[in-house]
Amino acid sequence: GAVVSQHPSRVICKSGTSVKIECRSLDFQATTMFWYRQFPKKSLMLMATSNEGSKATYEQGVEKDKFLINHASLTLSTLTVTSAHPEDSSFYICSAPPLGQGSYEQYFGPGTRLTVT
Amino acid sequence: AQSVTQLGSHVSVSEGALVLLRCNYSSSVPPYLFWYVQYPNQGLQLLLKYTSAATLVKGINGFEAEFKKSETSFHLTKPSAHMSDAAEYFCAVGGFTGNQFYFGTGTSLTVIP
Repeated sequence: GAVVSQHPSRVICKSGTSVKIECRSLDFQATTMFWYRQFPKKSLMLMATSNEGSKATYEQGVEKDKFLINHASLTLSTLTVTSAHPEDSSFYICSAPPLGQGSYEQYFGPGTRLTVT
Repeated sequence: AQSVTQLGSHVSVSEGALVLLRCNYSSSVPPYLFWYVQYPNQGLQLLLKYTSAATLVKGINGFEAEFKKSETSFHLTKPSAHMSDAAEYFCAVGGFTGNQFYFGTGTSLTVIP
């Protein structure tokens, strides 16, 4: 089956620094990727839709200047948490629907645990 | 508007007992429905999906779900719980313009030996 990877799996950073998280589709192409945030014992909250070759679409209430998204190629999307603060600590998950499969299939990455100290 | 409701944030069953996790959806268009399982500190693993074919869908690890349009439900069942089934389960709805998925709040399943 299709595989989505995320790197790093865990990251600890100091408050005020920026952190980049990569999401890669390893054996398929995706013009769209999704970024979710999951708080402890909570559901996944869609943060933004990453679009290859164009600007990301952010959900209401998500700060686009804080969570920078770049979809540089058909297999890579990055999420950069800028000037991170402890409240940004969370589990970040990306997903991607393979080209041509529309919205009835998505593959999820294993997640990235971000801890801001 | 699309939404997913999972009744019961925590469900406990004895090993070998029936597992029933409830999911109801609200959708303005015929939906695609999914169940995912998440183990601690891991991503989501697809258990099964309904995409307008057979209403009774069989998934991995002995799970199955039935799409009932009249009840707007997609409950997940397994005849006999195993200790390894203890995890967080999420119901999701898709099939919309933009490819977004909408997730329920999750149900934490505990299996008692």
